[in-house]
Amino acid sequence: EADIYQTPRYLVIGTGKKITLECSQTMGHDKMYWYQQDPGMELHLIHYSYGVNSTEKGDLSSESTVSRIRTEHFPLTLESARPSHTSQYLCASSDTRQGNPFLQFFGPGTRLTVL
Amino acid sequence: DAKTTQPPSMDCAEGRAANLPCNHSTISGNEYVYWYRQIHSQGPQYIIHGLKNNETNEMASLIITEDRKSSTLILPHATLRDTAVYYCIVRVALSSGSARQLTFGSGTQLTVLP
Repeated sequence: EADIYQTPRYLVIGTGKKITLECSQTMGHDKMYWYQQDPGMELHLIHYSYGVNSTEKGDLSSESTVSRIRTEHFPLTLESARPSHTSQYLCASSDTRQGNPFLQFFGPGTRLTVL
Repeated sequence: DAKTTQPPSMDCAEGRAANLPCNHSTISGNEYVYWYRQIHSQGPQYIIHGLKNNETNEMASLIITEDRKSSTLILPHATLRDTAVYYCIVRVALSSGSARQLTFGSGTQLTVLP
């Protein structure tokens, strides 16, 4: 069973607030990812990380930022939330040292609503 | 990356086998077939993957045709909790120096009926 956690699970916040979505994994995985998914729609990669102090933007442009100071922790921050940021945010990790970078394990997601 | 085609929806009776097809006729020799599922409002869950041999684990079996142009995910005894969207993904397994993302298409909505 994968051990990857996201908090909060649900967040309702007003426009202009700064928010941080937390993601932690206890598996020692080197790669971590953030995806954005609207209800009934496809997943879109917004950020990924090769390892500590490494972050890259994904396919979908996002105003959010990420950091990777510790292997197990990959928080996502929105400096000023807007209604267009309303979505579900999914964190994932993978261990490429095991040989296959596509064996990604996903967290439960954070459903963000910006009013 | 090879494109995959899946039926948009399927029904299955509880306790029966659910067979979910995936067409990947443009798959190349070094591409793996991955299956994930996503239960409503939850994160995707890895199910199984394979290259050319049939694979089985505690969740499902994966049958890949000899020409590798299609595959079938089999849930041997479907339960109501297996109701989810099932995604078939075909990607190359790259070296550990490259982080590659999964691309989830529209998948198959499997509904297990009581």
